[in-house]
Amino acid sequence: KAGVTQTPRYLIKTRGQQVTLSCSPISGHRSVSWYQQTPGQGLQFLFEYFSETQRNKGNFPGRFSGRQFSNSRSEMNVSTLELGDSALYLCASRTWGDQETQYFGPGTRLLVL
Amino acid sequence: GENVEQHPSTLSVQEGDSAVIKCTYSDSASNYFPWYKQELGKRPQLIIDIRSNVGEKKDQRIAVTLNKTAKHFSLHITETQPEDSAVYFCAANQAGTALIFGKGTTLSVSS
Repeated sequence: KAGVTQTPRYLIKTRGQQVTLSCSPISGHRSVSWYQQTPGQGLQFLFEYFSETQRNKGNFPGRFSGRQFSNSRSEMNVSTLELGDSALYLCASRTWGDQETQYFGPGTRLLVL
Repeated sequence: GENVEQHPSTLSVQEGDSAVIKCTYSDSASNYFPWYKQELGKRPQLIIDIRSNVGEKKDQRIAVTLNKTAKHFSLHITETQPEDSAVYFCAANQAGTALIFGKGTTLSVSS
């Protein structure tokens, strides 16, 4: 099976702009989670979608939002970008239920200037 | 919600030594505890996991132990090699909830 894919791989934006990141899960996986990775802060959970519904949400401001489509692909949007939003954004997919193994994509590196 | 603390944040060992990374979790309902390894510039990858009905699990040079009473679990790497150098993350959750990660441990193995 193909792994989790993310596009784009790199982005440069300026403060105040908005950005949309995309994630395609492993075939058959219906859950997609998003994480923000910054040095020293590890993997901070943003949100998780299953069957087009947000099932879990982390402690991030409302500028961070997401959605999931009927084919399980997911997008994450960040509005009114701030310098502190510069990070590696990782998505991960898994089946839903007892099998909790989560597989990560390669990430999108976002730089906000 | 779940909170995971991980220690130490950095760990340096000599090749052939053992390395131990420890994590504590807050939600007593958590029953799944995976460990991920992230090499420089790569995505995190699962290396081993344990469920709460098991106290210890081994896979070649790596092992994980779980103490549900104390709400902590540990990763043990024996006979470390330079290729073990990476950032290691522990995580915890129960079915249907978010997988919450610790802040990571940077392991450096020198030859």
